[in-house]
Amino acid sequence: KNEVEQSPQNLTAQEGEFITINCSYSVGISALHWLQQHPGGGIVSLFMLSSGKKKHGRLIATINIQEKHSSLHITASHPRDSAVYICAVGGGADGLTFGKGTHLIIQP
Amino acid sequence: GAGVSQSPSNKVTEKGKDVELRCDPISGHTALYWYRQSLGQGLEFLIYFQGNSAPDKSGLPSDRFSAERTGGSVSTLTIQRTQQEDSAVYLCASSLAAVLGEQFFGPGTRLTVL
Repeated sequence: KNEVEQSPQNLTAQEGEFITINCSYSVGISALHWLQQHPGGGIVSLFMLSSGKKKHGRLIATINIQEKHSSLHITASHPRDSAVYICAVGGGADGLTFGKGTHLIIQP
Repeated sequence: GAGVSQSPSNKVTEKGKDVELRCDPISGHTALYWYRQSLGQGLEFLIYFQGNSAPDKSGLPSDRFSAERTGGSVSTLTIQRTQQEDSAVYLCASSLAAVLGEQFFGPGTRLTVL
């Protein structure tokens, strides 16, 4: 069974700062997912990665398959980015295995 | 287009009662997943359906849990003889492809067992 570790668990930053959230996993995978959940809200898929790097607006996700590591970056952070960010691996018959999430607060 | 929908959004039940949760996946998505999110356990995978194929039930927490998917579309998750530890948010997700498919999550059903 894959073990998914995220760091940091909690992060508070000022508006405009560059944010990095890290994820590592123990067993080789086909795909890694970054998900976002606002307080009291549903889960939204941000990225699905199997290699390299993806960018959507101010969000960038990278993955290093050899090192079993992925990072999610937020540039020019904004209070509306405050949410829980969850890393997950797998899919298919075994479903996703989730990290515990990173609670991000961006202060104005 | 319409996303994944789930019903009911909230369900309060008494211990020992049976409950049925419904998921309508995005049209055309062959892969469907059920997950559970609870304070103590975080997010955990329950069961996966690929089209009409019989699912692997080994991820279900106990034999009180069962799930079916009719016609490769709508799915129901049934919990018999509910217990307080079943209280959680039950999430459904669907994707176009299985392993390399982005998963789209429904809003969830919040189940409270009194």
